Amino acid sequence: DTAVSQTPKYLVTQMGNDKSIKCEQNLGHDTMYWYKQDSKKFLKIMFSYNNKELIINETVPNRFSPKSPDKAHLNLHINSLELGDSAVYFCASSQVLLNEKLFFGSGTQLSVL
Amino acid sequence: AQTVTQSQPEMSVQEAETVTLSCTYDTSESDYYLFWYKQPPSRQMILVIRQEAYKQQNATENRFSVNFQKAAKSFSLKISDSQLGDAAMYFCAYRSGGTYKYIFGTGTRLKVLA
Repeated sequence: DTAVSQTPKYLVTQMGNDKSIKCEQNLGHDTMYWYKQDSKKFLKIMFSYNNKELIINETVPNRFSPKSPDKAHLNLHINSLELGDSAVYFCASSQVLLNEKLFFGSGTQLSVL
Repeated sequence: AQTVTQSQPEMSVQEAETVTLSCTYDTSESDYYLFWYKQPPSRQMILVIRQEAYKQQNATENRFSVNFQKAAKSFSLKISDSQLGDAAMYFCAYRSGGTYKYIFGTGTRLKVLA
């Protein structure tokens, strides 16, 4: 039933490791997003895909690589994790051309030790 | 570049009272959409209310209403009859029509006092 689901909900890892966060939406939306929420709660867009094509790529380190195998899935892979990567990462989707709202996943809290 | 500003980092309201959260935005576009999202401690982002710029009428959803002042580029959220469950972070967001980017303000933490 969950519209936008992301896994895992919590991720604790050591500096230097590589990790992935997965996201799936069952709303039939064409557009998916990754947002980062830092410790001050500021929400910043990272990437967006529309029908598997990258359309938004904000100033994000190259260690972050999104992948969209189909329009219902958008994964985020992070290489060589750093302390500063600790944050909550939200996946979201929208049918932008129908002027839909953003539907959010429940977030993944990443803690880099 | 479009920006969204929430000048109140934190607000408090007594239960059953009314509170207004401020949001201003900067844009040169005429076609855009505005949103208020609520983030309770559970972390889930929940849409509270949305407003299309072309609509003059202010949006209302039960106890939540907005004061949309297009010329002033202001989009404030009024919460009436505040309840303990309204305690959360509130984010104002903007999207220009024809673009895919949703831009968020820095948030206002609302405390509801019993």
